[in-house]
Amino acid sequence: SQKIEQNSEALNIQEGKTATLTCNYTNYSPAYLQWYRQDPGRGPVFLLLIRENEKEKRKERLKVTFDTTLKQSLFHITASQPADSATYLCAARGGADGLTFGKGTHLIIQP
Amino acid sequence: ETGVTQTPRHLVMGMTNKKSLKCEQHLGHNAMYWYKQSAKKPLELMFVYNFKEQTENNSVPSRFSPECPNSSHLFLHLHTLQPEDSALYLCASSPETSGEGQFFGPGTRLTVL
Repeated sequence: SQKIEQNSEALNIQEGKTATLTCNYTNYSPAYLQWYRQDPGRGPVFLLLIRENEKEKRKERLKVTFDTTLKQSLFHITASQPADSATYLCAARGGADGLTFGKGTHLIIQP
Repeated sequence: ETGVTQTPRHLVMGMTNKKSLKCEQHLGHNAMYWYKQSAKKPLELMFVYNFKEQTENNSVPSRFSPECPNSSHLFLHLHTLQPEDSALYLCASSPETSGEGQFFGPGTRLTVL
């Protein structure tokens, strides 16, 4: 079955460093991947979408890559800040119309 | 704040009750979704509506019954739920069903006693 795996449940990074989160997918070839941020008690917030024909996408301090050979997407936050602490979710189109999500990586940026 | 509102924010119900969750989007989107988020599990897609038509039912038990009267409103009717149905229920919308990010509401925290 189609699977999205985020292999780190939690990640601790020192403020100012680059945080790198990993998302792997198995048993299918999604046309695009999406990244979301979720804070406790809130719904996810859409951050970035990258298509299979795009190697890299940037938005301010965020960068996403998509490697169809490795079946992997990397999500980077440069110059990380404590306010970046949250759970980050990777998602790809699953069935006909909906998204399949990974479990998420809980990122903690320490001052 | 996100253009997608959900009511109620919290709901406690017994297994024999009937209740409904409501979602409204003010973004002019054509697609709406219900997801379930349980502790330690990924978000699970439940239902998809596109232009008011249900296009996906992800093997959801019949005790969950969706309704989409128009492109702006989505309901989830609940009856004879089980304690394991306790979770955060999230509504989302998007312009179309593919190639776009989804906008989520704050969710309804449901507890079934």
